[in-house]
Amino acid sequence: EDKVVQSPLSLVVHEGDTVTLNCSYEVTNFRSLLWYKQEKKAPTFLFMLTSSGIEKKSGRLSSILDKKELFSILNITATQTGDSAIYLCAVPNTNAGKSTFGDGTTLTVKP
Amino acid sequence: DVKVTQSSRYLVKRTGEKVFLECVQDMDHENMFWYRQDPGLGLRLIYFSYDVKMKEKGDIPEGYSVSREKKERFSLILESASTNQTSMYLCASSSSPRANSPLHFGNGTRLTVT
Repeated sequence: EDKVVQSPLSLVVHEGDTVTLNCSYEVTNFRSLLWYKQEKKAPTFLFMLTSSGIEKKSGRLSSILDKKELFSILNITATQTGDSAIYLCAVPNTNAGKSTFGDGTTLTVKP
Repeated sequence: DVKVTQSSRYLVKRTGEKVFLECVQDMDHENMFWYRQDPGLGLRLIYFSYDVKMKEKGDIPEGYSVSREKKERFSLILESASTNQTSMYLCASSSSPRANSPLHFGNGTRLTVT
C-alpha cells in the first residue's frame, strides 16, 4: 500500500523564521512528488518534483527531492503571516492513476 | 486558468437523506476526483473517473457513489447520509491520464449531517 508521511504535523513560528517541512514516501512506480498549499479553501499547486537533487524555487519557497532516500523537503525562508496554511505532499501512483496524500503540515506564522 | 466549481460551499443535511455534491470543471480535463478531508486524516480519495461514464473506487468508497454523464461534470452521491460523513469534500481535476500532473481543486463543500 502506498504511503506518504509528513512531519511535523504542526509548526508554530514567528515572522522571519525559516522552516523546513518533510515528506517521506513509499509508492510503487514513482514518477513525481507534488507540494500543495491550502489556506482556507482549495489546495493550490506549488511544485512538482521528478528528479533527485534539482531544487525547485519560487520566491521564498524551495523544494528538493531525494529519490534514493525517498523523501522531499519544502523550505520557506523569511516566513510571513501569509504563509500560514496547511502544506500537503502528494505522490501519484501512475499505474493506479491516483495520488496518495500525506496528512499535511499545519504551519502557523505569528507576527 | 482552470476553474473547478463546487455547487455548494456549506450544506446541512439530515441522517438518511440522499445528498448530491456537484462539481464542474472548465478545462476539458479527462480526470476528475472526489476527496474528503478530515483533521488528522488528510485527504482521502473516494472515487475518481478517467472518462465519461467511467468510474473507479478510491480508498474509501463505502457509502458513496458517483456519476459522470458529461466530461465536465462529476457528481458525488451519498445515498443515505450518516453523521460519519460529516466532512469537507474536495473535487479536483487533472489533465494527465496517469495522475502525473497537478490537481486543480474546487473550493470544497463543508457537509454537516445531523
